[in-house]
Amino acid sequence: DIQLTQSPSFLSASVGDRVTITCRASQGISSSLAWYQQKPGRAPKLLIYGASTLQSGVPSSFSGSGSGTQFTLTISSLQPEDFATYYCQQLNSYPYTFGQGTKLEIK
Amino acid sequence: DVQLLESGGGLVQPGGSLRLSCAASGFTFTSYAMIWVRQAPGKGLEWVSSISGDGKSTVYADSVKGRFTISRDNSKNTLYLQMSSLRAEDTAVYYCAKTSHDYGDPKRAFDIWGQGTMVTVSS
Repeated sequence: DIQLTQSPSFLSASVGDRVTITCRASQGISSSLAWYQQKPGRAPKLLIYGASTLQSGVPSSFSGSGSGTQFTLTISSLQPEDFATYYCQQLNSYPYTFGQGTKLEIK
Repeated sequence: DVQLLESGGGLVQPGGSLRLSCAASGFTFTSYAMIWVRQAPGKGLEWVSSISGDGKSTVYADSVKGRFTISRDNSKNTLYLQMSSLRAEDTAVYYCAKTSHDYGDPKRAFDIWGQGTMVTVSS
């Protein structure tokens, strides 16, 4: 199985900050990586697919990059509604796997 | 609006069975593979199972293989998850989701999610 390791697991930041979350795959997955945002009690929401393509309706403050084994999600200027947990997911091969999550909290 | 609505969750004893449903609307159901993902309380996301648009191809996580069965009724735009031999570790919120692209396409993702249904396995 392909393991995904996100770092950091917890991140404390302020409104207006620029933050970056990293996702490392245990083997190459080309660009078959998605990023999701999840708020407490809510379903995950797709932010980025194909490693770098912004899902329709997602603010342009979100961006993704990477290929192979190293990927990043960047939020250029944090807004109050961005404080949530973020997950990466590989869809290169079954079983599809998720990273352990990064909880982004308000400083 | 594109929408997925799960139902069927509840409290079940260990060893028991439960069937989850996911009613889809707002898109051509037969054109897309569908999946189930679960999330144990306070934990991360775990992919459970996938089914192709025509229902002929299914895949399962090792943790549920042989106990869970995914199916779909394209005439009713509904996805199912039949769960049997349930264990305490199956306790989770179960989400259904729609895939966005074909298997093997690097753009594939889960673009539409239901609100989730809670399954609790306890005596």
